[in-house]
Amino acid sequence: GQSLEQPSEVTAVEGAIVQINCTYQTSGFYGLSWYQQHDGGAPTFLSYNALDGLEETGRFSSFLSRSDSYGYLLLQELQMKDSASYFCAVRGAGSYQLTFGKGTKLSVIP
Amino acid sequence: GAGVSQTPSNKVTEKGKYVELRCDPISGHTALYWYRQSLGQGPEFLIYFQGTGAADDSGLPNDRFFAVRPEGSVSTLKIQRTERGDSAVYLCASSPGTSGNEQFFGPGTRLTVL
Repeated sequence: GQSLEQPSEVTAVEGAIVQINCTYQTSGFYGLSWYQQHDGGAPTFLSYNALDGLEETGRFSSFLSRSDSYGYLLLQELQMKDSASYFCAVRGAGSYQLTFGKGTKLSVIP
Repeated sequence: GAGVSQTPSNKVTEKGKYVELRCDPISGHTALYWYRQSLGQGPEFLIYFQGTGAADDSGLPNDRFFAVRPEGSVSTLKIQRTERGDSAVYLCASSPGTSGNEQFFGPGTRLTVL
């Protein structure tokens, strides 16, 4: 089976940097994805890591360490609109389904 | 182009009734996924279609749940003899190929079973 751990809530100040961690346990691993979901909205894809290292997309970066079964999402220059829930998700080897964590609710305050 | 659409947006039904939830994926996307999401939880995988066939239905909780995609585009999730525990948001997602690394989600159908 697969399980993921991420903090339930994080609060950060507008303009600051925040890191959301995710650790996972999986019987097989293909990649780690990150999704953003605003209240009442659909999850939207942010990033995907299959190999160790940092992937950067604008203000968002994602990191993966396969040996540590660990990844994080880094959000820079926080804006109020970044207040949302962030989910890490793993895709197991030989599988097409995503297993999601319970999500981290990010609150950006002025 | 249009994104993934789902109808209805809200469905209220009584325990024991039958419901159908519809998903229109992004045109040309061959892969289609159904998830359900309970309050405060992440999406939970139900079933994956590649074309017309269900390639992985390991997430369906029991035989009351069934899904079809007869022409490889629109999909319908069917729930028989609904129970109060089926209340959740049912999300549909699609992706262009078999990788599934980036899935495009619809707005969901909020199902409430009274």
